[in-house]
Amino acid sequence: DTGVSQDPRHKITKRGQNVTFRCDPISEHNRLYWYRQTLGQGPEFLTYFQNEAQLEKSRLLSDRFSAERPKGSFSTLEIQRTEQGDSAMYLCASSPPRVGGSATDEQFFGPGTRLTVL
Amino acid sequence: GNSVTQMEGPVTLSEEAFLTINCTYTATGYPSLFWYVQYPGEGLQLLLKATKADDKGSNKGFEATYRKETTSFHLEKGSVQVSDSAVYFCALSDRVNYGGATNKLIFGTGTLLAVQP
Repeated sequence: DTGVSQDPRHKITKRGQNVTFRCDPISEHNRLYWYRQTLGQGPEFLTYFQNEAQLEKSRLLSDRFSAERPKGSFSTLEIQRTEQGDSAMYLCASSPPRVGGSATDEQFFGPGTRLTVL
Repeated sequence: GNSVTQMEGPVTLSEEAFLTINCTYTATGYPSLFWYVQYPGEGLQLLLKATKADDKGSNKGFEATYRKETTSFHLEKGSVQVSDSAVYFCALSDRVNYGGATNKLIFGTGTLLAVQP
């Protein structure tokens, strides 16, 4: 299967610990997105990469959150000093490059990493 | 700012019933509109999309028409099956312009559909 993969699928941690999640996008996709989804809500945008450049960050992404995509392939999302309010599903999505001036809006989602902060 | 409002669930239907899930949006410009589906224990999957006014997206018997005059993108299916039970999300993304808009997706809160045999 060549879809978007995320690791780990589940993470349980204690308040105050640091956690890191990994996302591997579809191989030819240069655009990568992170979203957060809490129970009963739709996903909310966190940040966006085009190749290795982080081009947009949501105000939801506090100083405790950092994301990287060092070689324009996989990406990591780190949360420092976790809080109970960080408990959520963290989703990664990728999109292929734009061709000419047209948009390829479709985003392909991974299965998500479910974080539980105790 | 841009937003999506969709009907609250759960929606409970009997097999072969007609389905409508309402979705309206607020956006500047000309967004693309999407329906994503999340089956139990699985990730989000694109169900259908429409990129301009009056476009109809369709897939697996589901349809939705991009109505600019009513800012709506209601999801319909003529005859639902038990296997359609899932959470359905309406979403929009800003139209891409030269220069690279983010095209982040803005989602509604989701509507749980439960189809009973």
